[in-house]
Amino acid sequence: DSGVTQTPKHLITATGQRVTLRCSPRSGDLSVYWYQQSLDQGLQFLIQYYNGEERAKGNILERFSAQQFPDLHSELNLSSLELGDSALYFCASSQSSGRTDTQYFGPGTRLTVL
Amino acid sequence: SQKIEQNSEALNIQEGKTATLTCNYTNYSPAYLQWYRQDPGRGPVFLLLIRENEKEKRKERLKVTFDTTLKQSLFHITASQPADSATYLCALDSPRGGGYNKLIFGAGTRLAVHP
Repeated sequence: DSGVTQTPKHLITATGQRVTLRCSPRSGDLSVYWYQQSLDQGLQFLIQYYNGEERAKGNILERFSAQQFPDLHSELNLSSLELGDSALYFCASSQSSGRTDTQYFGPGTRLTVL
Repeated sequence: SQKIEQNSEALNIQEGKTATLTCNYTNYSPAYLQWYRQDPGRGPVFLLLIRENEKEKRKERLKVTFDTTLKQSLFHITASQPADSATYLCALDSPRGGGYNKLIFGAGTRLAVHP
């Protein structure tokens, strides 16, 4: 158990809908990262927050947004969902935002868009 | 753009043998390279990090090498066990100045260790 929690574990929804994925980092970790893993794309970095502020951005679609709250939990919002958004979404956390900080991954949320 | 290549075919080996997985990269020079283990339906688990000025790193039965000339890392598991069966991901840090701790992952190689 990494200490990172994600809810929900599974999510099934329809195209055009909006969902929110939630992540609680390990106790004491200030950075939160979001990744998308699909069969054809592998694990793709989406976005990083550090202590409430956006730090780095990857290939995150404009339909997706995220935020980190004062209690350091984070939410990833996915809107206008398409079939291709079906994937595993992982949250990871690290102590700070240093480039060698170990990232601890949560169990993931499996999103299925029908 | 940066590209990371890992063997897409599964690696099947006999218990007790050494498993060797390859990670090749092109188009940039990472300062750090990391290896993760991922079991089906679960999040990746960090194993080892090696810096560009380190040729080799060891941790118990694991060994990683980093050849910046060949742009290649090798990941070895000695005395492999069926419990080592998993997908192993190689990850590189983002290009210098490209952001904080932004990892770029390879597609992973599935390892199956048979009794």
